[in-house]
Amino acid sequence: SQQGEEDPQALSIQEGENATMNCSYKTSINNLQWYRQNSGRGLVHLILIRSNEREKHSGRLRVTLDTSKKSSSLLITASRAADTASYFCATDNFGNEKLTFGTGTRLTIIP
Amino acid sequence: NAGVMQNPRHLVRRRGQEARLRCSPMKGHSHVYWYRQLPEEGLKFMVYLQKENIIDESGMPKERFSAEFPKEGPSILRIQQVVRGDSAAYFCASSRGGAGANVLTFGAGSRLTVL
Repeated sequence: SQQGEEDPQALSIQEGENATMNCSYKTSINNLQWYRQNSGRGLVHLILIRSNEREKHSGRLRVTLDTSKKSSSLLITASRAADTASYFCATDNFGNEKLTFGTGTRLTIIP
Repeated sequence: NAGVMQNPRHLVRRRGQEARLRCSPMKGHSHVYWYRQLPEEGLKFMVYLQKENIIDESGMPKERFSAEFPKEGPSILRIQQVVRGDSAAYFCASSRGGAGANVLTFGAGSRLTVL
């Protein structure tokens, strides 16, 4: 079964606005990662947050992690048309190297 | 650095034929993962391999599907006697492995269409 569930499933915003996507998971994790997938392409790693971290920044990306609620959020600030893509969270468990992906959020930035 | 290379990018097969998908991991990576993605869906884990070893195949269907990662050459995902439900994008990813965070580098995928 899928470990992660993202919401919303789809999100459309105007260019320049901020986009927030959420991910919930079921079991204890070691790390949580976010990946982006452009249409018809492979996934690209964006950012990783460890289970003992609460917030992480990378450029226009901000990730939070709340292990008590088993949830994470990805914030993209000052969105651009090029941010249009699907975004997936992925988790791994202690002692298990495989990543389990969520169902994804399809983000559309309207120019 | 060529990254993760997958071929073919597109493959068309008739029901009952065999499909072979190949994946060359990124240079320096010894861990390979195969995922399947149906249209508008997330990635479903299939199998995790290291050189000459299958580490986790919990996501592989019990029949018709097999994977290998030989000492020399690419990793192969093999689907025998394909059915229409096998139509999907198959993604390979690789990583360095070892202790610590496991960040995956993905290939562009192989899109299988079964007629």
